[in-house]
Amino acid sequence: DAGITQSPRYKITETGRQVTLMCHQTWSHSYMFWYRQDLGHGLRLIYYSAAADITDKGEVPDGYVVSRSKTENFPLTLESATRSQTSVYFCAVSPAHSPLHFGNGTRLTVT
Amino acid sequence: AQTVTQSQPEMSVQEAETVTLSCTYDTSENNYYLFWYKQPPSRQMILVIRQEAYKQQNATENRFSVNFQKAAKSFSLKISDSQLGDTAMYFCAHQGGSEKLVFGKGTKLTVNP
Repeated sequence: DAGITQSPRYKITETGRQVTLMCHQTWSHSYMFWYRQDLGHGLRLIYYSAAADITDKGEVPDGYVVSRSKTENFPLTLESATRSQTSVYFCAVSPAHSPLHFGNGTRLTVT
Repeated sequence: AQTVTQSQPEMSVQEAETVTLSCTYDTSENNYYLFWYKQPPSRQMILVIRQEAYKQQNATENRFSVNFQKAAKSFSLKISDSQLGDTAMYFCAHQGGSEKLVFGKGTKLTVNP
């Protein structure tokens, strides 16, 4: 979806390093979400944000940090990457009471 | 907390046939939305169909339709006239008042020629 940009598309990092995944929307939708997708688990919510400067934990927040200083950006940071954080990460965006629009995902490998 | 269960990890269907994917959910909310998303090998998440819980009529989008049974908390997806391009992972999802989507674990659908 052209309105959501995730970067990078692929990332390989080492255990213990800090990694930041970027998510940018060209709309001004209120809600932004970070999900991780793992085989056998579907998509699980890491963090979400209802507006700038408002964030909340999802189902699997441990080891992740988010911020939302501007409405259009919602970066996800792994402060000290672990192998269990190897996954595909999706950012999603929506206005209230509407379907989520997903980015193309970031495949992260932690070695 | 809401939960979504897809009991069929994998399914297959012959081209032009009809297939039904199952989904059950649990929620304490009265107003909510249910979705089916498709994820082809490209990894892109594509919205297939959306159902509003307060609407009794089942949603339909071309070859895709749902059977929404609110009392039974069941939300199945029927794909008619299956096409090779329908091969994908299909995820059922629930969205309540918090706007969060809760997903099932997915059903891998293969359409055979």
